[in-house]
Amino acid sequence: NAGVMQNPRHLVRRRGQEARLRCSPMKGHSHVYWYRQLPEEGLKFMVYLQKENIIDESGMPKERFSAEFPKEGPSILRIQQVVRGDSAAYFCASSPWRPMGDTQYFGPGTRLTVL
Amino acid sequence: QQQVKQSPQSLIVQKGGISIINCAYENTAFDYFPWYQQFPGKGPALLIAIRPDVSEKKEGRFTISFNKSAKQFSLHIMDSQPGDSATYFCAASRSGSRLTFGEGTQLTVNP
Repeated sequence: NAGVMQNPRHLVRRRGQEARLRCSPMKGHSHVYWYRQLPEEGLKFMVYLQKENIIDESGMPKERFSAEFPKEGPSILRIQQVVRGDSAAYFCASSPWRPMGDTQYFGPGTRLTVL
Repeated sequence: QQQVKQSPQSLIVQKGGISIINCAYENTAFDYFPWYQQFPGKGPALLIAIRPDVSEKKEGRFTISFNKSAKQFSLHIMDSQPGDSATYFCAASRSGSRLTFGEGTQLTVNP
């Protein structure tokens, strides 16, 4: 059973470009969470999605950031017009359908560098 | 009310010693408290987790102690090994929703 997969693992963008981060949850998991980790800091929640639904986006910046989890395919975190402050590690986590459990399993992350 | 405060920020322990990391939370609605271990360049990996209906949970060398009245929980690593050197994060969530993380503790175990 493969774990949570994220790609790309490293992404370099110039200011003003778009970044698209992909996350494939563990098999059988229908809940996806995105977290951001700034250098030398803890993880901060961004958004919680189920298939075709955004459940909680209270941690998402109001502009330039969006997320989706379509019926088919991976979850996508999209950052438009990136700025240097977006440089961080972005982690995706997945969990099974409730009430199977609360455990969130994390992927290896995408490290975004904005030049 | 969503904060989780973690201490110490860094910890140095000798091989074979006990590592203790503490966390405190504010939101009494939290009902799930996991600890994650993260190595440089890797994603967080679940180490052990507890719910507030028990005061202690042990898995191998790792033990969580939970004090509901004080709203505190801690991770104890017995017989610490150099391979345990990593960053440890406590977290809390309510009914399977988003995790609120502590700021992390960088543990170094000297050989």
